[in-house]
Amino acid sequence: EAGVTQFPSHSVIEKGQTVTLRCDPISGHDNLYWYRRVMGKEIKFLLHFVKESKQDESGMPNNRFLAERTGGTYSTLKVQPAELEDSGVYFCASSQVYRAGELFFGEGSRLTVL
Amino acid sequence: EDQVTQSPEALRLQEGESSSLNCSYTVSGLRGLFWYRQDPGKGPEFLFTLYSAGEEKEKERLKATLTKKESFLHITAPKPEDSATYLCAVQENTGFQKLVFGTGTRLLVSP
Repeated sequence: EAGVTQFPSHSVIEKGQTVTLRCDPISGHDNLYWYRRVMGKEIKFLLHFVKESKQDESGMPNNRFLAERTGGTYSTLKVQPAELEDSGVYFCASSQVYRAGELFFGEGSRLTVL
Repeated sequence: EDQVTQSPEALRLQEGESSSLNCSYTVSGLRGLFWYRQDPGKGPEFLFTLYSAGEEKEKERLKATLTKKESFLHITAPKPEDSATYLCAVQENTGFQKLVFGTGTRLLVSP
């Protein structure tokens, strides 16, 4: 069974540019989450989808971040325009509906903003 | 606000030398406490869920325990392949499912 896949694995962009990260969850997992780890800090929650609906977006830093989940399948996280403090590793995770804390994480997308 | 504090930040053990990692938490109502393992360049990998004080879970050389204020991850006779960062996370008993993570304990087991 394929795991959670994320693309790209690493992106380097200039401040002010746009980046879109993609996540393909495990098939059949209705829950999809985005988390972020910035240098030296703990992994922090960004948002949670149940199917195509945003269940909780309390962790989104500001309106430069936009997440979508098309048809309840893959998800994208767009940062526009990127700032230096957006650098970090963005993790996507998925889970089954009734095992919400047992997350399956992707390997992460490392974002470097110069 | 929910808080999770892990100690020590880093731990070096000799192969076979047992030890424990600590996770202290502050949460208004605990739905669950979770342990994950993370290898360099990888995403966290789920290990255990604990729901109530007194609960214990075991997997190979790892055993997780839970009290009302903290959790311990006991590592018995570790091997070099147990080297990783161990993360603790809590989920509050609200309608939301977000996990609040600690910064982790980096474990290095030398042969």
